[in-house]
Amino acid sequence: AQKITQTQPGMFVQEKEAVTLDCTYDTSDPSYGLFWYKQPSSGEMIFLIYQGSYDQQNATEGRYSLNFQKARKSANLVISASQLGDSAMYFCAMREGPNYGQNFVFGPGTRLSVLP
Amino acid sequence: DTGVSQNPRHKITKRGQNVTFRCDPISEHNRLYWYRQTLGQGPEFLTYFQNEAQLEKSRLLSDRFSAERPKGSFSTLEIQRTEQGDSAMYLCASSSRTGNTEAFFGQGTRLTVV
Repeated sequence: AQKITQTQPGMFVQEKEAVTLDCTYDTSDPSYGLFWYKQPSSGEMIFLIYQGSYDQQNATEGRYSLNFQKARKSANLVISASQLGDSAMYFCAMREGPNYGQNFVFGPGTRLSVLP
Repeated sequence: DTGVSQNPRHKITKRGQNVTFRCDPISEHNRLYWYRQTLGQGPEFLTYFQNEAQLEKSRLLSDRFSAERPKGSFSTLEIQRTEQGDSAMYLCASSSRTGNTEAFFGQGTRLTVV
């Protein structure tokens, strides 16, 4: 079974608008971390934001925020005020277990295109 | 630069040849990961080390693949008898031991098997 599901292969957003990228996950471990990475066409993986399973508040990092709905096992990324430079692949990832001992599992990604 | 460093950045090899990639993690990170990424897909886990111990290997890591981290610092990934299906981007990442930390990725090694 897929541990990380990203149902949007591609998304378009107008510059300066907000966009939500979906991520659902599957785990039976109460201790886990959720991560979002950006991969521009140049190929490097850039860390954006982290949410721990025990965190009470949704994570925020500049224009990025994470809409964490634990009961639904979803961790959607919200990008506010989109910029042309936000055009990239976006990957949701999870680490499980106490002290997150296991590896990162990545979803298939969503390609975001920001339109001028 | 104290980021994760991977060498070489690009490698073209003939089918059947052996190749070796190197990863230098961030110095204080004791966890090191190898991933493979094909075009349009997310990274697929291959293996990870905590210090010099290889703690987990994916079933994707066939007998032709071997990874080492001899002194708990840099790591090498070797592919023997390369096949065209091995063509991919090989990504290395490192993280610190405590749980709520992200992994930092290198820029990857793009392997093309002709």
